[in-house]
Amino acid sequence: EAGVTQSPTHLIKTRGQQATLRCSPISGHTSVYWYQQALGLGLQFLLWYDEGEERNRGNFPPRFSGRQFPNYSSELNVNALELEDSALYLCASTQTNPSGNTIYFGEGSWLTVV
Amino acid sequence: DAKTTQPNSMESNEEEPVHLPCNHSTISGTDYIHWYRQLPSQGPEYVIHGLTSNVNNRMASLAIAEDRKSSTLILHRATLRDAAVYYCILRSAPIIQGAQKLVFGQGTRLTINP
Repeated sequence: EAGVTQSPTHLIKTRGQQATLRCSPISGHTSVYWYQQALGLGLQFLLWYDEGEERNRGNFPPRFSGRQFPNYSSELNVNALELEDSALYLCASTQTNPSGNTIYFGEGSWLTVV
Repeated sequence: DAKTTQPNSMESNEEEPVHLPCNHSTISGTDYIHWYRQLPSQGPEYVIHGLTSNVNNRMASLAIAEDRKSSTLILHRATLRDAAVYYCILRSAPIIQGAQKLVFGQGTRLTINP
């Protein structure tokens, strides 16, 4: 069974550009979470999608947005990139209920803004 | 979201047991306790989870206090490959709009000495 897959693995953008990161959850999982992890820091919650809808978002500006498609894959968009957006972006998937279900993470997408 | 508190770092020796503590004094009755670990340059991976009773799997054991306000992840014989950042998080149920952020703290950086 394929795990959570993310693409691209690495992405280099210049300040002001837009970045799009993609995530395919494990088959059967309807919930997708996005996290940002700056170098040497912890995971910061970005967004939670479930059944195609945004259910919650973290303390990030509106230029961080995303969506979940009917097949439950998800896309994270970061507009007007800033240098401090350079980080590892992690996607995780799980079944919505019950809460005892395991959360599976992808290997992440490294975004570098220059 | 109920928060967890973990020591920033711990150190142990190879082939010795390791006890990683986590405090979650505001845990609610339906919160599951999950543990994940993150090796360098990788996405977090599932270790173990539980609700009330102690749990064992091939990776570790989870000891949950009777009042559920704290838990301990136990690695019975640490190896060098266990060096990672360990995260304790609470996953709530039932699903409530605005809940389920799956907030990660800073975790405990575990160093294993050969």
